[in-house]
Amino acid sequence: KQEVTQIPAALSVPEGENLVLNCSFTDSAIYNLQWFRQDPGKGLTSLLLIQSSQREQTSGRLNASLDKSSGRSTLYIAASQPGDSATYLCAVRRSSGSARQLTFGSGTQLTVLP
Amino acid sequence: NAGVTQTPKFQVLKTGQSMTLQCAQDMNHNSMYWYRQDPGMGLRLIYYSASEGTTDKGEVPNGYNVSRLNKREFSLRLESAAPSQTSVYFCASSVRTSGIQETQYFGPGTRLLVL
Repeated sequence: KQEVTQIPAALSVPEGENLVLNCSFTDSAIYNLQWFRQDPGKGLTSLLLIQSSQREQTSGRLNASLDKSSGRSTLYIAASQPGDSATYLCAVRRSSGSARQLTFGSGTQLTVLP
Repeated sequence: NAGVTQTPKFQVLKTGQSMTLQCAQDMNHNSMYWYRQDPGMGLRLIYYSASEGTTDKGEVPNGYNVSRLNKREFSLRLESAAPSQTSVYFCASSVRTSGIQETQYFGPGTRLLVL
């Protein structure tokens, strides 16, 4: 059974700092990996999706990498801003069986201090 | 274009009561999903519907039923609510883009408390 772990559970940084969020998964047979943002009391917003054949994806100040063989992904946030404060979740889609099921990590709650 | 909408936003039930959570999407997506989110556990898939007229169990289906009423709507029913079903419930829909990528779009959630 796929397990997705995100450490740390919470992170607090000063504004302007570059930071890295970590995601690890136990089964490397994945179809893709997705990073989401969740604001308090809100649903999830997709940030980046990396196919299993890709190594990284970039969107603005965000860069996500994937090392499938080691079961790891990182989300790099450059020049963090208070508006980046949210919970960040990663999710993997397995490559066999039902291709639509996502397994989520429990998230990292990020606070960027002004 | 409202995206994915869910009703109600909040609900308090007594143990044994029943209720239906409603979800609708206006993006013409084929696939729809119901998740629950509990503290420290991430989101877990309850049921999903790959297309109109089909439904399949996810990771935690016990105590729930679903109906894919039409392409737009996917409802989740609790027949006899239990305190263990206290959670935040999210509906999502998805579309396949670029032939291989599939992105899920989430609703704002329904917060359910079962006493």
